[in-house]
Amino acid sequence: TQLLEQSPQFLSIQEGENLTVYCNSSSVFSSLQWYRQEPGEGPVLLVTVVTGGEVKKLKRLTFQFGDARKDSSLHITAAQPGDTGLYLCAGAEETSGSRLTFGEGTQLTVNP
Amino acid sequence: GAGVSQSPSNKVTEKGKDVELRCDPISGHTALYWYRQSLGQGLEFLIYFQGNSAPDKSGLPSDRFSAERTGGSVSTLTIQRTQQEDSAVYLCASSPWTGRDYGYTFGSGTRLTVV
Repeated sequence: TQLLEQSPQFLSIQEGENLTVYCNSSSVFSSLQWYRQEPGEGPVLLVTVVTGGEVKKLKRLTFQFGDARKDSSLHITAAQPGDTGLYLCAGAEETSGSRLTFGEGTQLTVNP
Repeated sequence: GAGVSQSPSNKVTEKGKDVELRCDPISGHTALYWYRQSLGQGLEFLIYFQGNSAPDKSGLPSDRFSAERTGGSVSTLTIQRTQQEDSAVYLCASSPWTGRDYGYTFGSGTRLTVV
């Protein structure tokens, strides 16, 4: 059973479209992070959210942490080909120390 | 260096052989993590070192897997008697004391292929 469920698994869109990726769990997380990974590289941290209901914006990317700290979403406005990659959410449970549990990822392809 | 360094970047080994994967974390980062990633999948936790505390080995899939961290810096992940199902990308990451607050910095990984 996957602790963090991401949806959709695959997403292929045209440049300029908007999209939302979801990360859901039945567990409560003390913090939740989003990473982006390109082929042949390790994941790169995009954002950390720690407060229920928190919204963070990073240029065209908007991240939201659910009020109950069980879910999160990533919204991209006017997607560009450079946004192509594997998006991973990762959560830290209260009892897991510094260890993060990762979702299986959403593979995003933005076509020119 | 400025980032997390992993070596080798690629390793092809025969089934039954032992392999060692190396990780050089960012200087000053007290926490070091090993994960593995199968093709197109998320990351599976293996082991976590925090300062001088006993490591969290709860993710190691079998007793063929072991890891050590010498001097609070470099770490080596050893897989004995490799099997084909061990084929994956092995990722190392480091963080300041609380990775949950500051996030992880990952290396580029070691792609292990067992033939």
